[in-house]
Amino acid sequence: QVQLVESGGRVVQPGGSLRLSCAASGFTFSSFAMHWVRQPPGKGLEWVAVITNTGNNQYYADSVKGRFTISRDNSKNTLFLEMNSLRTDDTALFYCARSAYAGYQIDYWGQGTLVTVSS
Amino acid sequence: QSALTQPASVSASPGQSITISCTGSGSDVGGYNHVSWYQQEPGKAPKLLLFEVSNRPSGVSHRFSGSKSGNTASLTISGLQGGDEADYYCSSYTITDTPYVFGTGTKVTVL
Repeated sequence: QVQLVESGGRVVQPGGSLRLSCAASGFTFSSFAMHWVRQPPGKGLEWVAVITNTGNNQYYADSVKGRFTISRDNSKNTLFLEMNSLRTDDTALFYCARSAYAGYQIDYWGQGTLVTVSS
Repeated sequence: QSALTQPASVSASPGQSITISCTGSGSDVGGYNHVSWYQQEPGKAPKLLLFEVSNRPSGVSHRFSGSKSGNTASLTISGLQGGDEADYYCSSYTITDTPYVFGTGTKVTVL
């Protein structure tokens, strides 16, 4: 079955950097676009970024553009999110999610990894 | 890209029906049928409920249905059950350079 397991979340100081990973299994990773979606504690979902199945194209939310980079290693079935210049309002549970093969919906979600930006 | 607008909360008694609205613009909800709905139970990851406005993935109850009129999409839950207590989010593709947007979320309470 489809599994998405995020890792890398921790406490980091404002201005710091962090790299999140998402290990995918149970499907042909290289055939699917992948997303990062975040959720601040007690708040709603915010779409962060998406990368095409080949990794050739990436798109970002305005709030993270220029600071975050989404990438993937199809040989290792792994999705990444490199986060720089972190701010306190980046504190959130970060979900790795799979885009449906034919369509724009997200059909599978991981359980999330918590990033806390605090001094 | 601003979040799509949803009511903060909706409540009803078991057995009743509720409808949650999701309002955007011609650049997202109104311009495309790429509207999805997600259910998020407390402490859990979201789960896909509907896609392309009204299509249900395998395993999702027929009590969940969707529609769209103009710039507003709607999720209807019929025969409300206690297990439907959750947060519900809409999402849409957008023509802007940030191609996805979520709604503000709606907390459903079963009285």
